[in-house]
Amino acid sequence: QVQLVQSGSELKKPGASVKVSCKASGYTLTSYAMNWVRQAPGQGLEWMGWINTNTANPTYAQGFTGRFVFSLDTSVSTAYLQISSLKAEDTAVYYCARVVGASSLSWFDPWGQGTLVTVSS
Amino acid sequence: SSELTQDPAVSVALGQTVRITCQGDSLRSSFANWYQQKPGQAPLLVIYGKNNRPSGIPDRFSGSSSGNTASLTITGAQAEDEADYYCHSRDSSGWVFGGGTKLTVL
Repeated sequence: QVQLVQSGSELKKPGASVKVSCKASGYTLTSYAMNWVRQAPGQGLEWMGWINTNTANPTYAQGFTGRFVFSLDTSVSTAYLQISSLKAEDTAVYYCARVVGASSLSWFDPWGQGTLVTVSS
Repeated sequence: SSELTQDPAVSVALGQTVRITCQGDSLRSSFANWYQQKPGQAPLLVIYGKNNRPSGIPDRFSGSSSGNTASLTITGAQAEDEADYYCHSRDSSGWVFGGGTKLTVL
């Protein structure tokens, strides 16, 4: 079945970097774009941006430029989110989600199980 | 970027019908999707497009829209429907989520 499996929880110190992986199975990674979504503790879902899995071209939402990088390794069907210069406010669960459809009729399905990144000294 | 506005909390008696609404300019040109999220779990797609249910989603879930407002209706709410619900749509910058509605089943 179509599935996205993310890497495990991370505990990092402020100023460090983290790389979250999202491995796709049950379909070809390059057939669908991949999105990243952040959920801070007790908060709602926030769209971070997406990566075109054919061209590896990323698009970042407002507020997610500079320290956030989306990348791919198509040889292992995996998308990555890297966050550098971590701050306490980056503490959140990060989800990857495949986008299905096109233009005004598009939706996210499935989602990865989420990766908790905790930033604390 | 645009915004989608949801009521923070809604309650419904067991077996009754509840409607969760979502308002935003992007809904005038894009379809709304709805996700259910239970504590400690990833969001789950329950409605996409005009009124489509993924395989495995009970038919008590339905969607509708008019103008800048989209609605998720649960007809005959069950205890297991207690969760957070998020609307979602395409906008000019990419995609946008509503702030979420916490549904309590009494």
